[in-house]
Amino acid sequence: GENVEQHPSTLSVQEGDSAVIKCTYSDSASNYFPWYKQELGKRPQLIIDIRSNVGEKKDQRIAVTLNKTAKHFSLHITETQPEDSAVYFCAANTAGKSTFGDGTTLTVKP
Amino acid sequence: DAGVIQSPRHEVTEMGQEVTLRCKPISGHDYLFWYRQTMMRGLELLIYFNNNVPIDDSGMPEDRFSAKMPNASFSTLKIQPSEPRDSAVYFCASSETGRGETQYFGPGTRLLVL
Repeated sequence: GENVEQHPSTLSVQEGDSAVIKCTYSDSASNYFPWYKQELGKRPQLIIDIRSNVGEKKDQRIAVTLNKTAKHFSLHITETQPEDSAVYFCAANTAGKSTFGDGTTLTVKP
Repeated sequence: DAGVIQSPRHEVTEMGQEVTLRCKPISGHDYLFWYRQTMMRGLELLIYFNNNVPIDDSGMPEDRFSAKMPNASFSTLKIQPSEPRDSAVYFCASSETGRGETQYFGPGTRLLVL
């Protein structure tokens, strides 16, 4: 089955800096890669996604890149703010089933 | 739309008791997923349904766990008998097609088995 690895497990940045989270996947049939943000005690919520026919997607301060050849994708957050502090999960979707990474705890220090 | 609805939001029970978690997916969504989240194991897919039919239950930890979807608007996850290691947050999620579509998560049920 699919295996998704996510790094780093924790990330601490100063407000205004950029944050990058990386994921790798194993199943070349995976074709959809969502990123979720989960605040403490709340549900995971989609923040951005990318499909296998696209190399990059941007939404304001958030961007995601996908390298299908290398089977890795990354989340980039620019101009980080304290409210960006949360756990971020990547996922790879194969035939309707999503496999999640272990999560990255991002702390943005004011 | 009210989003995915789960009940109860919190459940405290004693070891050996039966626990039933409930989920109402977003209307019109064909796929329904049950996840378990713990600090040790992260977010695990337990089972998912397409048009009320179970497609993949390989994530169900053992026979004590069972899930049903009697109709398009309701699903249950049952644990019988419950054990302390079942303590976790259980999320239900639904998606419109399941293949490359966003999954919308419910608020979760926080289960504590004493």
